[in-house]
Amino acid sequence: GEDVEQSLFLSVREGDSSVINCTYTDSSSTYLYWYKQEPGAGLQLLTYIFSNMDMKQDQRLTVLLNKKDKHLSLRIADTQTGDSAIYFCAEFSSGGSYIPTFGRGTSLIVHP
Amino acid sequence: DAGVIQSPRHEVTEMGQEVTLRCKPISGHNSLFWYRQTMMRGLELLIYFNNNVPIDDSGMPEDRFSAKMPNASFSTLKIQPSEPRDSAVYFCASSSVEVGLAGGHPYNEQFFGPGTRLTVL
Repeated sequence: GEDVEQSLFLSVREGDSSVINCTYTDSSSTYLYWYKQEPGAGLQLLTYIFSNMDMKQDQRLTVLLNKKDKHLSLRIADTQTGDSAIYFCAEFSSGGSYIPTFGRGTSLIVHP
Repeated sequence: DAGVIQSPRHEVTEMGQEVTLRCKPISGHNSLFWYRQTMMRGLELLIYFNNNVPIDDSGMPEDRFSAKMPNASFSTLKIQPSEPRDSAVYFCASSSVEVGLAGGHPYNEQFFGPGTRLTVL
């Protein structure tokens, strides 16, 4: 079945850029998502990219998609302490059920 | 809209007791999902409803778990009897499959509730 892999932890200094990586296996993925989970809260959609795009930029966020390697990344510029959270990669295939497949999540720790 | 509402936010119970978690999805959404989050297993999909009908319950761990959706605005997840290994955060999420910007391909954003933290002693 589909699989989405992420590293579990990332630690960065405030003001630096953060890059969170994700790999997936389903070549028919249509949409790829990044969700953010702040402490004590549910997941919230941060951004998404459609599979015919290579890059999407939204203020401090840049999503890069390498469809050939099935690799997705999320870059956060000028990382702030408020960016500390768990970031989930998820993929969704329009050919299957309407259920995204989530990765385990990457805990981003931003220290001064 | 108030978003997805879950109750209770925290539940502490003793092993063997029945636990009922509740969820009110966003009005107008036609799909509802129950997830469980633990450190060991991450986020697991337990069951998925579409138009109040259970579509996929393959993630429900055992017969001790059951879920219902009697109408479009309410769902429950019940554990009977509860065990310490059921301790986790349980999330409810809802969505409405829409035709997205990409011309006919459905776009599916899930809206998560705040979760119920369950502790079984």
